[in-house]
Amino acid sequence: GENVEQHPSTLSVQEGDSAVIKCTYSDSASNYFPWYKQELGKRPQLIIDIRSNVGEKKDQRIAVTLNKTAKHFSLHITETQPEDSAVYFCAAGGSQGNLIFGKGTKLSVKP
Amino acid sequence: DADVTQTPRNRITKTGKRIMLECSQTKGHDRMYWYRQDPGLGLQLIYYSFDVKDINKGEISDGYSVSRQAQAKFSLSLESAIPNQTALYFCATSARAGTEAFFGQGTRLTVV
Repeated sequence: GENVEQHPSTLSVQEGDSAVIKCTYSDSASNYFPWYKQELGKRPQLIIDIRSNVGEKKDQRIAVTLNKTAKHFSLHITETQPEDSAVYFCAAGGSQGNLIFGKGTKLSVKP
Repeated sequence: DADVTQTPRNRITKTGKRIMLECSQTKGHDRMYWYRQDPGLGLQLIYYSFDVKDINKGEISDGYSVSRQAQAKFSLSLESAIPNQTALYFCATSARAGTEAFFGQGTRLTVV
């Protein structure tokens, strides 16, 4: 079945710096790649997603890139702010239409 | 607002007891999912259902069962709870493949 690897597991940056989180997936038939943010004690919420017919997508300070050949996708956050501190999950939409998640990255943004 | 609602929000139960976690949604979505969250292990898929007559095992279905009573309701059961099933459980829904999954508030289950 689908497997999603996510790195790093923890990431600490200074406010204003950029943060990058990387994921790889195993099922070449996957065609949907969302990113979720989970604040402490809250439910995961979608922040951005990308489909396999697109190589890059940007929404203000966040962007996602996809390399289908290498089966890699990444989340980029620029000009980080303390409110960006959270756990971030990548996921891959499997060939059966389910969603398999990575293990998460705990991002800490220090003022 | 249309939402995904889980009950109970917190539950403490004893080893060997049967317990049911319930999920209902007002989004009108056909697809429903149950995930388990453990620290450092992310969100692991337990079961998923694409319509009332469709039930599929996920990554970690052993020790769990589900029931899709209606389009809007998807229940997760632990027939005989054990301590390593202590975790945060999330229900989620989506309209179709390749679209956003919406999560419930979560149920924190403790098995003692």
